[in-house]
Amino acid sequence: NAGVTQTPKFQVLKTGQSMTLQCAQDMNHEYMSWYRQDPGMGLRLIHYSVGAGITDQGEVPNGYNVSRSTTEDFPLRLLSAAPSQTSVYFCASGGTGSNYGYTFGSGTRLTVV
Amino acid sequence: AQSVTQLGSHVSVSEGALVLLRCNYSSSVPPYLFWYVQYPNQGLQLLLKYTTGATLVKGINGFEAEFKKSETSFHLTKPSAHMSDAAEYFCAVSEGSNDYKLSFGAGTTVTVRA
Repeated sequence: NAGVTQTPKFQVLKTGQSMTLQCAQDMNHEYMSWYRQDPGMGLRLIHYSVGAGITDQGEVPNGYNVSRSTTEDFPLRLLSAAPSQTSVYFCASGGTGSNYGYTFGSGTRLTVV
Repeated sequence: AQSVTQLGSHVSVSEGALVLLRCNYSSSVPPYLFWYVQYPNQGLQLLLKYTTGATLVKGINGFEAEFKKSETSFHLTKPSAHMSDAAEYFCAVSEGSNDYKLSFGAGTTVTVRA
């Protein structure tokens, strides 16, 4: 099925470890974003991309890096994990015109101990 | 910059009763508005969206929302709640077709009583 695929679904890290959350979409969307979801705070934008080779910071970018080498993939890198990064992470891709609006992946639940 | 306020973090309704979830936004330009639903341990699913045109928007699962510019509101309603409507609901706003930075409200959890 077409959509947004995130891996892994669950991850436990130790403080200071690094890792990459993977995100891939097969809808040929130009726009992709990463959000984190914390209880009582809704979803907050970490980084976004308007096309291959173009990325920008969102509301809560500190501690995260992104790159966009292809239209399909938009990985999120945690450089040195901290307990404050314990969260559920969602990747989304966005269509244009009449298809404007994001499609969300199923999420990655990350725990940093 | 835009922001979203959802009034009430928890709403409890009886099966068959009206569901009303409130959303107010602020935006410096004409907004695009969205309602998403999240079932436990799942991602977000789009219920409906307002971009331009008719201010009463119908979505999936019998939900609808009305954009009221004068009240800066986009409240979500469903005439008759079903047990399957139990979920968390998020209102979100962006600043138009060239802005993909969604701002989300804190969410409203709906429980449905038998």
